[in-house]
Amino acid sequence: QKEVEQDPGPLSVPEGAIVSLNCTYSNSAFQYFMWYRQYSRKGPELLMYTYSSGNKEDGRFTAQVDKSSKYISLFIRDSQPSDSATYLCAMRGGSYIPTFGRGTSLIVHP
Amino acid sequence: DVKVTQSSRYLVKRTGEKVFLECVQDMDHENMFWYRQDPGLGLRLIYFSYDVKMKEKGDIPEGYSVSREKKERFSLILESASTNQTSMYLCASSSKGQGAGQPQHFGDGTRLSIL
Repeated sequence: QKEVEQDPGPLSVPEGAIVSLNCTYSNSAFQYFMWYRQYSRKGPELLMYTYSSGNKEDGRFTAQVDKSSKYISLFIRDSQPSDSATYLCAMRGGSYIPTFGRGTSLIVHP
Repeated sequence: DVKVTQSSRYLVKRTGEKVFLECVQDMDHENMFWYRQDPGLGLRLIYFSYDVKMKEKGDIPEGYSVSREKKERFSLILESASTNQTSMYLCASSSKGQGAGQPQHFGDGTRLSIL
């Protein structure tokens, strides 16, 4: 079993939909959680950074962490075609080195 | 904003050549990292550095070396390039901060083709 599991997709939704992207993990020591957005032929861009359980909101994006279930989510409200990208989850414990999911490809069509 | 700059976006080299990939960050970050990213395999850590002149092997260091002579610059070296090193190479940096530090910030990558 991989430490971090992420469905590769692609996930295709119409413009305006609420998108839910998810990762599960097995290492209970993880306490820092990140979401990155990666456009084609570009580097990953940090979207959200959270510590421990709970929710964090930033504009149309909400990150949710459920440590008891070892499950994290990223919600995108009012999705736009410009949100089409690959979304990577990442997480770590006390190390400086995160463990990444393999990414979910999201397509938002007009 | 954090800026991580990789010297080349696209690079084509021949097998057996020595290849240098350069990365510079402007945020005085202590930690720097080199990854490669391949379809279906995700991000794989090659080398990282916690300080100047310091380096640690990641998960796939074979065929690579690194150099960190200055805090802001981290170089990846392919000693003798081979076709299986054709990939997207990503540099990242992070601050040690407090406790377990801060998240990584990435450059835009170098797409390297070895012919």
